[in-house]
Amino acid sequence: GENVEQHPSTLSVQEGDSAVIKCTYSDSASNYFPWYKQELGKRPQLIIDIRSNVGEKKDQRIAVTLNKTAKHFSLHITETQPEDSAVYFCAASKPPGYSTLTFGKGTMLLVSP
Amino acid sequence: EPEVTQTPSHQVTQMGQEVILRCVPISNHLYFYWYRQILGQKVEFLVSFYNNEISEKSEIFDDQFSVERPDGSNFTLKIRSTKLEDSAMYFCASSEADQLQGGEQYFGPGTRLTVT
Repeated sequence: GENVEQHPSTLSVQEGDSAVIKCTYSDSASNYFPWYKQELGKRPQLIIDIRSNVGEKKDQRIAVTLNKTAKHFSLHITETQPEDSAVYFCAASKPPGYSTLTFGKGTMLLVSP
Repeated sequence: EPEVTQTPSHQVTQMGQEVILRCVPISNHLYFYWYRQILGQKVEFLVSFYNNEISEKSEIFDDQFSVERPDGSNFTLKIRSTKLEDSAMYFCASSEADQLQGGEQYFGPGTRLTVT
């Protein structure tokens, strides 16, 4: 089955810096890659996703890049703010139904003021 | 904005007991999911449900687990005979469509199950 590896497990940055979180996946059939943000004690929330027919997607301060050949995708957050502090999970899914999301272990991002 | 809701927020049960975790998906959503997250570990897929039947399930979802949509609003996860290792946060999620059609999965707040 699919295996998703996520690095780093913890990332500490200063406010205003950029943060990059990387994931690799094992199953070349996977072609949908969402990123979820989970604040302490709260539900995971989708922040951005990418499908394998595009290499990059941006939404304001966050962007995701995908390298299908290398089977890795990354989350980029620019101009980080303290409210970006949370655990970020990457995930992958594949046809036919795409219903199974395989998650990475998560990255705890700490943004210091 | 509509949200997925789950009850209870925390359930404590003794080993061997049956538990039912309840979820109310977003009202116009057709696809429903259960995930679990053992403390400090990754979120793991358990089962997906569409059109009143299971569409996919993981190896974790063995004969001790079952899901049901007993009425038009609730979606339940039953664990028949709980084990200590079932202690985890259980998340329900729903989506309007499957991801092939671009359906984002919306997660509920979770039920923390503690088996003693």
